Amino acid sequence: KQEVTQIPAALSVPEGENLVLNCSFTDSAIYNLQWFRQDPGKGLTSLLLIQSSQREQTSGRLNASLDKSSGRSTLYIAASQPGDSATYLCAGSQGGSEKLVFGKGTKLTVNP
Amino acid sequence: GAVVSQHPSRVICKSGTSVKIECRSLDFQATTMFWYRQFPKKSLMLMATSNEGSKATYEQGVEKDKFLINHASLTLSTLTVTSAHPEDSSFYICSARSDRGINEQYFGPGTRLTVT
Repeated sequence: KQEVTQIPAALSVPEGENLVLNCSFTDSAIYNLQWFRQDPGKGLTSLLLIQSSQREQTSGRLNASLDKSSGRSTLYIAASQPGDSATYLCAGSQGGSEKLVFGKGTKLTVNP
Repeated sequence: GAVVSQHPSRVICKSGTSVKIECRSLDFQATTMFWYRQFPKKSLMLMATSNEGSKATYEQGVEKDKFLINHASLTLSTLTVTSAHPEDSSFYICSARSDRGINEQYFGPGTRLTVT
């Protein structure tokens, strides 16, 4: 059974800092690994999707990597901005299934 | 990008009544949709997988008679919370997997249900 863990639960950084969010998963037979952003009281915005054959994806200031052997994924945010403040969720598929298992998220606060 | 809508965005109902939540894929077809529930400061929990034209597959511990799912078309799935109780109050989010391209789920904006 896939379990997804995100550490830390909360992170506060000054504006402009580069930061890394961590995600670990237990089932290395992961199909997809997705990173999402969730603003308070809102739904999920997909940031990056890494398919099983890929190791990383980049979009603007965001870069996500996937290391299936170690069961880890990281989301790198460059030159953070106050608008990046949100909860970031990592989700991995369970085995060969398309079902997503979510971590509890990391609440990021970028201080101006 | 692919857009998924949910209606209503917020609903308040009395205990014992039923509430229907709609999930629509606006610009793509989705044979498969998913319903999630999110408690405050908790991760999203998958409730069920909704398949067009067939019965939904429920996760362990989710009462199928309480959370009725209907996926009558390739762009619409509905979740009905029957005989709602205060403990059903939660944030319900749906997602839809496009029938084309990669296996990516697109999420709706969520529905905040409050049962009084």
